[in-house]
Amino acid sequence: GQQLNQSPQSMFIQEGEDVSMNCTSSSIFNTWLWYKQDPGEGPVLLIALYKAGELTSNGRLTAQFGITRKDSFLNISASIPSDVGIYFCAGQPPSGGGADGLTFGKGTHLIIQP
Amino acid sequence: DAGVTQSPTHLIKTRGQQVTLRCSPKSGHDTVSWYQQALGQGPQFIFQYYEEEERQRGNFPDRFSGHQFPNYSSELNVNALLLGDSALYLCASSRVQGTEAFFGQGTRLTVV
Repeated sequence: GQQLNQSPQSMFIQEGEDVSMNCTSSSIFNTWLWYKQDPGEGPVLLIALYKAGELTSNGRLTAQFGITRKDSFLNISASIPSDVGIYFCAGQPPSGGGADGLTFGKGTHLIIQP
Repeated sequence: DAGVTQSPTHLIKTRGQQVTLRCSPKSGHDTVSWYQQALGQGPQFIFQYYEEEERQRGNFPDRFSGHQFPNYSSELNVNALLLGDSALYLCASSRVQGTEAFFGQGTRLTVV
């Protein structure tokens, strides 16, 4: 199935550093969503974006919906140990009414060194 | 407020068998979607149910079928299991007019 291009695949950072990851697609999306998944758990919704150019924050997390509608990025400021996990971007295609499923990236594995 | 709940959490089946997974959506949600997540991959959309009907389907064979009940809960059935069906199966619920999908903890299916 189709997947989004998410990068980087993994990140090794020091506690307190800022993190940036992004997602790109060859086709446009109406909605971009960012999820975090811990081992053995389902994805947890972090941020939802609905308009091109939209910039939304949730605590230390900030995400933007690209103007071309083909990309999105997620920033995490001042990382802490509980930020460890796999971050997924997901896009909702424009083919109407919310009937289509989400298309997911392959994830960015965030590892934080104390 | 109970979130999305799935059962069972783990399941081991033999190749060729059939399996049924269950999902109860988040309170206030009427749409249920099912996803398959292989190890190291993002979730892949299987299908979505609303008003007890399959509304959209991803690229999965007919061995994968589902059902939605009047209380919005849902089942995923997989027939003639293959080794490659081993994965984490995720249920997500949403309001039909919205696109914020909330996921359950998943069912880990192992086919041996």
